[in-house]
Amino acid sequence: NAGVTQTPKFRVLKTGQSMTLLCAQDMNHEYMYWYRQDPGMGLRLIHYSVGEGTTAKGEVPDGYNVSRLKKQNFLLGLESAAPSQTSVYFCASTLGGSSDTQYFGPGTRLTVL
Amino acid sequence: QKEVEQDPGPLSVPEGAIVSLNCTYSNSAFQYFMWYRQYSRKGPELLMYTYSSGNKEDGRFTAQVDKSSKYISLFIRDSQPSDSATYLCAMSLNDYKLSFGAGTTVTVRA
Repeated sequence: NAGVTQTPKFRVLKTGQSMTLLCAQDMNHEYMYWYRQDPGMGLRLIHYSVGEGTTAKGEVPDGYNVSRLKKQNFLLGLESAAPSQTSVYFCASTLGGSSDTQYFGPGTRLTVL
Repeated sequence: QKEVEQDPGPLSVPEGAIVSLNCTYSNSAFQYFMWYRQYSRKGPELLMYTYSSGNKEDGRFTAQVDKSSKYISLFIRDSQPSDSATYLCAMSLNDYKLSFGAGTTVTVRA
């Protein structure tokens, strides 16, 4: 099993450009999450999904959109990137319920110039 | 005020020392408490998980939860250079979401 994978690993964007980050998990998990990690801020939840076809806003959703068309995939979109979105993005998944272990991907390092 | 407070350190200790990490929180409804370990340029991985109050031990690691004080701790005994990482506390209301601390960076010197 690959666990949780993220594509791409690194990306540099110019302000105003758009991009999509892909998260895939092969553990048949119901719940999937997108976080951003910034120095001194810890992990902050952007959006999450409790099942195929569902999405919900987290703590810092502005400027991001998500889709979960297939159970194993969770996409994070930036329609018009801003320098404030420079961060490391982590995807996570869990079988069900917050008491279960969240398995994290390796992260995507995004720089917006 | 952040919901979960964690001193970011950094913390530097000699090999073999006891590492003590802690977090405080403001929401008394939190029920599940976790510690994640994150190596440089990697994703976090679950290290310890505790439900409600009490202690839990796993090898060299001990997690403590004091709900009356809204305080959780992680102790690492006989620390090794391989323990050098960032340690994040996390807690949950059992609503599918985790609230994380900022993380404490630990370096164990050989």
